[in-house]
Amino acid sequence: GENVEQHPSTLSVQEGDSAVIKCTYSDSASNYFPWYKQELGKGPQLIIDIRSNVGEKKDQRIAVTLNKTAKHFSLHITETQPEDSAVYFCAARYAGKSTFGDGTTLTVKP
Amino acid sequence: GAVVSQHPSWVICKSGTSVKIECRSLDFQATTMFWYRQFPKQSLMLMATSNEGSKATYEQGVEKDKFLINHASLTLSTLTVTSAHPEDSSFYICSARDPSSGRGSEQFFGPGTRLTVL
Repeated sequence: GENVEQHPSTLSVQEGDSAVIKCTYSDSASNYFPWYKQELGKGPQLIIDIRSNVGEKKDQRIAVTLNKTAKHFSLHITETQPEDSAVYFCAARYAGKSTFGDGTTLTVKP
Repeated sequence: GAVVSQHPSWVICKSGTSVKIECRSLDFQATTMFWYRQFPKQSLMLMATSNEGSKATYEQGVEKDKFLINHASLTLSTLTVTSAHPEDSSFYICSARDPSSGRGSEQFFGPGTRLTVL
């Protein structure tokens, strides 16, 4: 089955700096890669996603890049703000089933 | 749009009792719903996938007689934890998809239910 590895497990940045979280996947058949933000005690919320036929997607301060050949994808957050502090999960999906990474705890220091 | 609700948000029960958690899609029809379990500071573990009107498909290692899933309508799925024990204490999260819609790839997550078994 699919295996998704996510790094780093924790990330601390200064407000205004950029944050990058990376994930690798094992199943080349995976074709949909969402990123979720989860705040304490709440369910995950989709923040951005990318499909396998696209290399990059951007939505304001958030961007995701996908390298199908290397089977890795990354989340980029620019101009970080304290409210960006949360746990971020990547996922890889094939045939309707998503496999999640272990999560990255992002702390943005004011 | 695409809101998923869960009820209750938290529940405390005694060991040996059963607990039912509801998951509702409020503004779309969810032909597929997923139930996840999440331990503190860990990732989401898929327990089962349910399609409306059919039996749920359980992941390996998940006891289907203990975690009863019913997806009787396009907007409601329930998870019943039967004869709960302290090791069942966890954060249970549902999510829903409507593959027939233009946003069919997206999974919309509920806010989660914190179960504590004493």
